[in-house]
Amino acid sequence: ETGVTQTPRHLVMGMTNKKSLKCEQHLGHNAMYWYKQSAKKPLELMFVYSLEERVENNSVPSRFSPECPNSSHLFLHLHTLQPEDSALYLCASSQDQTYSGYTFGSGTRLTVV
Amino acid sequence: QKEVEQDPGPLSVPEGAIVSLNCTYSNSAFQYFMWYRQYSRKGPELLMYTYSSGNKEDGRFTAQVDKSSKYISLFIRDSQPSDSATYLCAMRAGANNLFFGTGTRLTVIP
Repeated sequence: ETGVTQTPRHLVMGMTNKKSLKCEQHLGHNAMYWYKQSAKKPLELMFVYSLEERVENNSVPSRFSPECPNSSHLFLHLHTLQPEDSALYLCASSQDQTYSGYTFGSGTRLTVV
Repeated sequence: QKEVEQDPGPLSVPEGAIVSLNCTYSNSAFQYFMWYRQYSRKGPELLMYTYSSGNKEDGRFTAQVDKSSKYISLFIRDSQPSDSATYLCAMRAGANNLFFGTGTRLTVIP
């Protein structure tokens, strides 16, 4: 399988639940990203990993916790979320942080109830 | 002021029409400009990439950048129903992160 794969595609969780989103890339890329996409808003960059090191955390609440165990896998751990966190969460990868051609996954549609 | 402004639409055109999609920006340091296409229930895919000012053509798609006006455009000729999607502009300054527009939703009516 090639490209960027995200699981699950859909997730409904209560505010007290703990869940994780998974992203996997088979492109040999060295940089991976988490974005949040909400209606009528630009994509919001959440986290950047380059060579498995977190290089950016854009003032994201601590209820979102990323993990990058190796260059092919990226996780977003979710805990005690709020209804306003409902959105499409997109994972992307690129050859390195300076390369503009990001490859996105299809996203996880998250609903917090 | 937002870094990147994009009219969210929606925009509906008949099949075969020429479509013009636009973005304006405020940061004069932006040098790399991209257009992404996002189909429903999918992630964005890179459609066009240009560096600095000028035009770039790829099949039915033409990207234009006017840095003096801080304005970029994507033209779609002979639009097809398969072009129906949301189009996002994105730009960056050097090695910094991408800034995205909100996206314009396009529907091409057969």
